[in-house]
Amino acid sequence: DSGVTQTPKHLITATGQRVTLRCSPRSGDLSVYWYQQSLDQGLQFLIQYYNGEERAKGNILERFSAQQFPDLHSELNLSSLELGDSALYFCASSQSYNSPLHFGNGTRLTVT
Amino acid sequence: ILNVEQSPQSLHVQEGDSTNFTCSFPSSNFYALHWYRWETAKSPEALFVMTLNGDEKKKGRISATLNTKEGYSYLYIKGSQPEDSATYLCAFGGSARQLTFGSGTQLTVLP
Repeated sequence: DSGVTQTPKHLITATGQRVTLRCSPRSGDLSVYWYQQSLDQGLQFLIQYYNGEERAKGNILERFSAQQFPDLHSELNLSSLELGDSALYFCASSQSYNSPLHFGNGTRLTVT
Repeated sequence: ILNVEQSPQSLHVQEGDSTNFTCSFPSSNFYALHWYRWETAKSPEALFVMTLNGDEKKKGRISATLNTKEGYSYLYIKGSQPEDSATYLCAFGGSARQLTFGSGTQLTVLP
């Protein structure tokens, strides 16, 4: 058990809809990372937060947004969903930039 | 776009064989190099985080080396066992503080 909790585990929704993915980091970790894994692709970096502030941004679509709250949990909001957004979304946390990432079990999003 | 490449893409070895994989990354603006092990239906688990040129890390039968000047890292597995079967990922951390993953090397150890 990595200590990182992601909810929900599975999400099925229709095109055009909006969903929110939630992540609770491991106790003591200040950094939260979001990654997307689409079919036959590796882990694509979306965004990183550190202690409530955005620290780094990857190839995150404008339809996607995220935030980290004062209690350090994070939410990834995906709107105007398209079929191509179907993927496994991972959250990971770490103590600092040189520390290993601890991954949650992922949220599998299916857009129909 | 940062280029983090891993080779080979996949590998089949016999139980007891030793093996190694390569991770290539940009040689500029280096901050850290991570290795992860990802078993099917699980989440990636950290193996090593290396930050200094020439770093060598070891965990049981698995070890890793780092050359930041030429931009590569090797992961070695000595005496592979079936339970070593997994995808091994490396991730490059640059000064932009973005951790970019390679596509991984999928290892299958045959009994």
